[in-house]
Amino acid sequence: GNSVTQMEGPVTLSEEAFLTINCTYTATGYPSLFWYVQYPGEGLQLLLKATKADDKGSNKGFEATYRKETTSFHLEKGSVQVSDSAVYFCALKPNSGGSNYKLTFGKGTLLTVNP
Amino acid sequence: EAQVTQNPRYLITVTGKKLTVTCSQNMNHEYMSWYRQDPGLGLRQIYYSMNVEVTDKGDVPEGYKVSRKEKRNFPLILESPSPNQTSLYFCASSAQRVEAAFFGQGTRLTVV
Repeated sequence: GNSVTQMEGPVTLSEEAFLTINCTYTATGYPSLFWYVQYPGEGLQLLLKATKADDKGSNKGFEATYRKETTSFHLEKGSVQVSDSAVYFCALKPNSGGSNYKLTFGKGTLLTVNP
Repeated sequence: EAQVTQNPRYLITVTGKKLTVTCSQNMNHEYMSWYRQDPGLGLRQIYYSMNVEVTDKGDVPEGYKVSRKEKRNFPLILESPSPNQTSLYFCASSAQRVEAAFFGQGTRLTVV
């Protein structure tokens, strides 16, 4: 079946540091890939997405590139802010193989950014 | 404003007392689903629905029921809640298979 593996953290950084959260996946075919963010006490919000190989998703200074050859979708940001403190989830959604196009999530990575 | 609305946000109940968590979306999405979030386990799908009157089990359906009588609503029913159903629950909807899902704010359920 499909699976997503991401570094679990927690990750603690100082403001303006570089962020990488690794995400690799196992899936048949060519899934769509997503990063979701969950701020304290809130639901999940889509951060960025990529629907085919070599696509780069970007939003709010975050980027991730869909790498089919390494089955990866690592999240990066050049300079984090305190307001980026949250839990980040990598997820995939199959584009074929049945009617349940469910999201398969990684376990989440807690990021804390200190001033 | 596009949104998925869940109610209640917080609920404490006793073992065996039936409860319903409501979910409503205003985006005319066909696909809706329920997830539960537990520490160390991430989010796991409970049930999903492809459209009105079409529902099916996800990964962890035991102890839950759903219905989809209208396109906008997808309630989650716990007929006889047990303490192992204490969790954070999220409803989500999406328009198409490759589209990202919109999530509700979550319902924190405690069963004592």
